[in-house]
Amino acid sequence: SQTIHQWPATLVQPVGSPLSLECTVEGTSNPNLYWYRQAAGRGLQLLFYSVGIGQISSEVPQNLSASRPQDRQFILSSKKLLLSDSGFYLCAWRTGVYQETQYFGPGTRLLVL
Amino acid sequence: RKEVEQDPGPFNVPEGATVAFNCTYSNSASQSFFWYRQDCRKEPKLLMSVYSSGNEDGRFTAQLNRASQYISLLIRDSKLSDSATYLCVVMNYGGSQGNLIFGKGTKLSVKP
Repeated sequence: SQTIHQWPATLVQPVGSPLSLECTVEGTSNPNLYWYRQAAGRGLQLLFYSVGIGQISSEVPQNLSASRPQDRQFILSSKKLLLSDSGFYLCAWRTGVYQETQYFGPGTRLLVL
Repeated sequence: RKEVEQDPGPFNVPEGATVAFNCTYSNSASQSFFWYRQDCRKEPKLLMSVYSSGNEDGRFTAQLNRASQYISLLIRDSKLSDSATYLCVVMNYGGSQGNLIFGKGTKLSVKP
């Protein structure tokens, strides 16, 4: 069966510090991968998606970036965090563009102080 | 107009009650529809897909009205464990590779 992992589970970082969040999927190959952010009191916002290694599409301009160095690994990064980057970061996967259901990882809760 | 709109609630209901959530979407070309459930501080999990003919899964019934661009979720005989936020989700093909558009969610609290 497929599983999706995210780490760390929680993170407290000062403004201006770098960020690296990791997501890995097991039990499937060539998944579509997604990064979402859920800010307090707001809906899920799609940040990035990837259909393959090295292929990243950005949905929202921001100071974040994403990379996919391996088939089942998706990384979210920032060089300098802003207060507004605080939120719940969720990684999700699905097996293809038209396989409709997305499955979410447990998320990383980020607080920028 | 927001792509997916839901009443944020909270809906506070007693155990055993029937509760209905509504959702509207703005893109008439939307193809697929879902309800996800999100427990406090947890990730969203798929509750059920929503089909044009309507579909039922135990105590949960989902309906879709394409003409009105309206989706509903009915929960019968509410349980304490149904307390969560329910997210209405729409998928549009094309553009962003068929990505999901989430509503902000409707919070349900079932009381003893």
